[in-house]
Amino acid sequence: NAGVTQTPKFQVLKTGQSMTLQCAQDMNHNSMYWYRQDPGMGLRLIYYSASEGTTDKGEVPNGYNVSRLNKREFSLRLESAAPSQTSVYFCASSEGGKAYGYTFGSGTRLTVV
Amino acid sequence: AQSVTQLDSQVPVFEEAPVELRCNYSSSVSVYLFWYVQYPNQGLQLLLKYLSGSTLVKGINGFEAEFNKSQTSFHLRKPSVHISDTAEYFCAVSGSSNYKLTFGKGTLLTVNP
Repeated sequence: NAGVTQTPKFQVLKTGQSMTLQCAQDMNHNSMYWYRQDPGMGLRLIYYSASEGTTDKGEVPNGYNVSRLNKREFSLRLESAAPSQTSVYFCASSEGGKAYGYTFGSGTRLTVV
Repeated sequence: AQSVTQLDSQVPVFEEAPVELRCNYSSSVSVYLFWYVQYPNQGLQLLLKYLSGSTLVKGINGFEAEFNKSQTSFHLRKPSVHISDTAEYFCAVSGSSNYKLTFGKGTLLTVNP
């Protein structure tokens, strides 16, 4: 099915370890986004890419880096994981650079111990 | 910048009862408004959206929402809920000239038999 694919679905890291969350979309969308979801906090934007070749910080970028590898793929990297980064991470994409509604991936549940 | 306030963190109702989930927003520019639903352990799915035109918007699964510019509200309603409507609901807003969605903190709707 067309949509947004995130890998992995689950991950446990030790404090200080690094990892990359992968996201790919097959809808030819221009814009892609990374959010984190924490209980009682809703979704908070980490980074976004309005179009291929551009990335910008969102509301909570500290401790993360991103790469827009091509139009399809947008990865999120944790260089040195901290327990505060325990969260559910969602990737999303949208068409035309406008917020006509996002398509979300199914999420990555990350635990940092 | 825009913000969203979901006035109730939890709403318990009985099956076949009507429900209203409240959302207020603030923005200095024209807005697009959205409601998303998240079923347990899943990603977010678009329920409905207001971009322009009629202030009453109909979405999937029998939900509708009304945009009220003077009260800066976008409340979600359903005349008769089912057990399967149990989920978390998120209101979101974007400015008409930017890419980013800002989410509320969510309302957990629990439908009891």
